[in-house]
Amino acid sequence: EADIYQTPRYLVIGTGKKITLECSQTMGHDKMYWYQQDPGMELHLIHYSYGVNSTEKGDLSSESTVSRIRTEHFPLTLESARPSHTSQYLCASLPGDSSYEQYFGPGTRLTVT
Amino acid sequence: KNQVEQSPQSLIILEGKNCTLQCNYTVSPFSNLRWYKQDTGRGPVSLTIMTFSENTKSNGRYTATLDADTKQSSLHITASQLSDSASYICVVSDRGSTLGRLYFGRGTQLTVWP
Repeated sequence: EADIYQTPRYLVIGTGKKITLECSQTMGHDKMYWYQQDPGMELHLIHYSYGVNSTEKGDLSSESTVSRIRTEHFPLTLESARPSHTSQYLCASLPGDSSYEQYFGPGTRLTVT
Repeated sequence: KNQVEQSPQSLIILEGKNCTLQCNYTVSPFSNLRWYKQDTGRGPVSLTIMTFSENTKSNGRYTATLDADTKQSSLHITASQLSDSASYICVVSDRGSTLGRLYFGRGTQLTVWP
């Protein structure tokens, strides 16, 4: 089982609140990713990182921001949550190039009321 | 445009029966194809991974096939169990992607009834 963790697992929060979704991995992987997934839909890449101090936006535009100060930690922040941010957020990490398996965390189910 | 299409969208079978899920892709250049199992409210877990030169790979009751010429893959589940109820996602990676770029299908939602 992959050592990649996400907290919280579930979050219900009111509009306008600032939230941070945590993701950490203990495998020493340089590459980390954030995906957004709506029910019955495919995963969409919203952020990725090649390593410490490296962050890039993914395919799907997102109002969230990320940081990578430590290899093992890749938090995602929403400054002002809106109902349109309601979704499942999945964090993943990769040990090498695309030939390797990408390991996923359990996800955070976010509901903004 | 790189795409991954899966069929059927959903499937219901009785416990003990076999089933086959399909995946067609247009990702190029192709690197590898993975099948993931995603339980409700959980992250995807890898079942199999196949490169261009592999045309079949098994993992217990799961057998994946790949036809790189027609750009098709299938996942065959033998003697289904209640715990097989999940979404099965086909994921294709493009060759030489240092990003580790993955293209995801929408998944097939499998329900196994007793």
